[in-house]
Amino acid sequence: DAGITQSPRHKVTETGTPVTLRCHQTENHRYMYWYRQDPGHGLRLIHYSYGVKDTDKGEVSDGYSVSRSKTEDFLLTLESATSSQTSVYFCAIGQGHRETQYFGPGTRLLVL
Amino acid sequence: TQLLEQSPQFLSIQEGENLTVYCNSSSVFSSLQWYRQEPGEGPVLLVTVVTGGEVKKLKRLTFQFGDARKDSSLHITAAQPGDTGLYLCAGPGANNLFFGTGTRLTVIP
Repeated sequence: DAGITQSPRHKVTETGTPVTLRCHQTENHRYMYWYRQDPGHGLRLIHYSYGVKDTDKGEVSDGYSVSRSKTEDFLLTLESATSSQTSVYFCAIGQGHRETQYFGPGTRLLVL
Repeated sequence: TQLLEQSPQFLSIQEGENLTVYCNSSSVFSSLQWYRQEPGEGPVLLVTVVTGGEVKKLKRLTFQFGDARKDSSLHITAAQPGDTGLYLCAGPGANNLFFGTGTRLTVIP
């Protein structure tokens, strides 16, 4: 295992509420990624980080923000959750886009 | 966006059968990765192919990268129930890794 955890593992929330998901790594990997996985769409990149305080948008970044204040932690925030953000969220770590990515166990989010 | 299309989307076979799943794109990739994802878990890397025409074997799994580096295949010989899962191919873009939509394989004992 690559030493990557996600919290919470499951969350149910209501439309309009803020939600923060946490990814924590113990591997000192430079890159961290947030994906969402939905039926028929596969894994889609939301945001990624290439270092402390260095982040960039992915394919489906609208409605999401991220922060990385320490190498170990990458936070994903839904400022005002919508039902379309119901999904399974995966964090991944790696040493670069062409390198292996190691995935966390996922967070299942339901927005009612 | 560099699209990776995987086929078939779903595959259900009996234990002991052989199968091939495909990953196709109109774009050229410098490399392709194959991941397997089991229910309730994150994807785990199986192999990376980097050279056009390359064939890699991992026990009963054989991976091939197309000569033009636009496609790849995964062949499983004598499938076992433990092979059940979602198989994803992924290729690097400028700033991220693009994933295909996956092939969901079920091997029936």
